[in-house]
Amino acid sequence: EAQVTQNPRYLITVTGKKLTVTCSQNMNHEYMSWYRQDPGLGLRQIYYSMNVEVTDKGDVPEGYKVSRKEKRNFPLILESPSPNQTSLYFCASSSYGTGRDDTQYFGPGTRLTVL
Amino acid sequence: GESVGLHLPTLSVQEGDNSIINCAYSNSASDYFIWYKQESGKGPQFIIDIRSNMDKRQGQRVTVLLNKTVKHLSLQIAATQPGDSAVYFCAENGSGNTGKLIFGQGTTLQVKP
Repeated sequence: EAQVTQNPRYLITVTGKKLTVTCSQNMNHEYMSWYRQDPGLGLRQIYYSMNVEVTDKGDVPEGYKVSRKEKRNFPLILESPSPNQTSLYFCASSSYGTGRDDTQYFGPGTRLTVL
Repeated sequence: GESVGLHLPTLSVQEGDNSIINCAYSNSASDYFIWYKQESGKGPQFIIDIRSNMDKRQGQRVTVLLNKTVKHLSLQIAATQPGDSAVYFCAENGSGNTGKLIFGQGTTLQVKP
């Protein structure tokens, strides 16, 4: 089954404790992206990656890092989480840039709470 | 700035009726639009998309209409079912070449039995 998976689905942590949210897709997509979803603010892009070893900032990149060492994986790293990073996070992937299909397919989400 | 907005935060319809969810976008350079459905506790799920060279596109029970003159997008759901209850988002690709989607705030569709 074609899908985007994220882990963990739920996470409660404390300020300053480094964490990683993993994202993996099995659709051989070149493009991957992270969004956060907050009430009243909708979905906002954090980082994106056009292909392996190519990443760039989205609209709200502060406090986050990403890496793209393999095509299928795109982990989101919070080096020193703060309470304002409490949010619902989504990973997405697509064939954007290849001329095939720009549709982005989303993972199930990771609900993060930073105390 | 760029923004995509939906006209109504909540839409309540009777089961079996048709639903129309509206969206206004502000970036004239956008040439790709998507409707997503998000159920509680799940990620956005692709429903239907449309490119700017089209005015209308139909799927199974859903139709998307694009009016570029007034920068308006709508999603029509025929014979609405309880399973259609969810938050619906429109998204546009904006003017940059980043692959980023710009999302509206969402409309909650409530289907009354």
